[in-house]
Amino acid sequence: DIQLTQSPSFLSASVGDRLTITCRASQGISSFLAWYQQKSGRAPKLLIYGASTLQTGVPSRFSGSRSGTEFTLTVSSLQPEDFATYYCLQLSAFPFTFGPGTTVDIK
Amino acid sequence: EVQMVESGGGLVQPGGSLKLSCSTSGFTFSGSAIHWVRQASGKGLEWIGLIRSKGYGYATAYGASVKGRFTISRDDSKKTAFLQVNSLKTEDTAVYFCTTTNYWGQGTLVTVSS
Repeated sequence: DIQLTQSPSFLSASVGDRLTITCRASQGISSFLAWYQQKSGRAPKLLIYGASTLQTGVPSRFSGSRSGTEFTLTVSSLQPEDFATYYCLQLSAFPFTFGPGTTVDIK
Repeated sequence: EVQMVESGGGLVQPGGSLKLSCSTSGFTFSGSAIHWVRQASGKGLEWIGLIRSKGYGYATAYGASVKGRFTISRDDSKKTAFLQVNSLKTEDTAVYFCTTTNYWGQGTLVTVSS
């Protein structure tokens, strides 16, 4: 199975900060990676698919990139509504797998 | 408006079974793969499995922890997907979501306890 690791697991940040979260795959997954945001008690929300394509309706401060098996989610300027947990998901090979998550808290 | 609504969760004893439903509207259900994802309280997301559309032969795939115990099916005429969960273990306690990967339901809670 393809394993995804995320770093960091947890971070404290302030409104206006630039946020970068990394997701590494244990083997090549091309660009079959999505990023989700989840707030407590809510279903996940798709932010990015195909490693770098912004889902319709998602603010442009969110972006995704890929370098080999390393994927990055960037938030250019954190807003109060961005404090949440972020997950990556690989859709390259069965079984699909999620990363363990990155929780972003208010500093 | 797209809606995905899970139902059928509840309290079940270890070894028991449940059939979860995912009723949908507002998108082309028949052409969509439907995934099931679960989340134990305070834990991360776990992909359980999916069922593809008729064009892909209704193929299914499952995660290792549920393979052989869980079965995904669909009824395109009713725009509904199902997750049959058998031989339940306490570690199957979680909120179960159905999703197309962009649209998600609100989840249904399955509690496995004696």
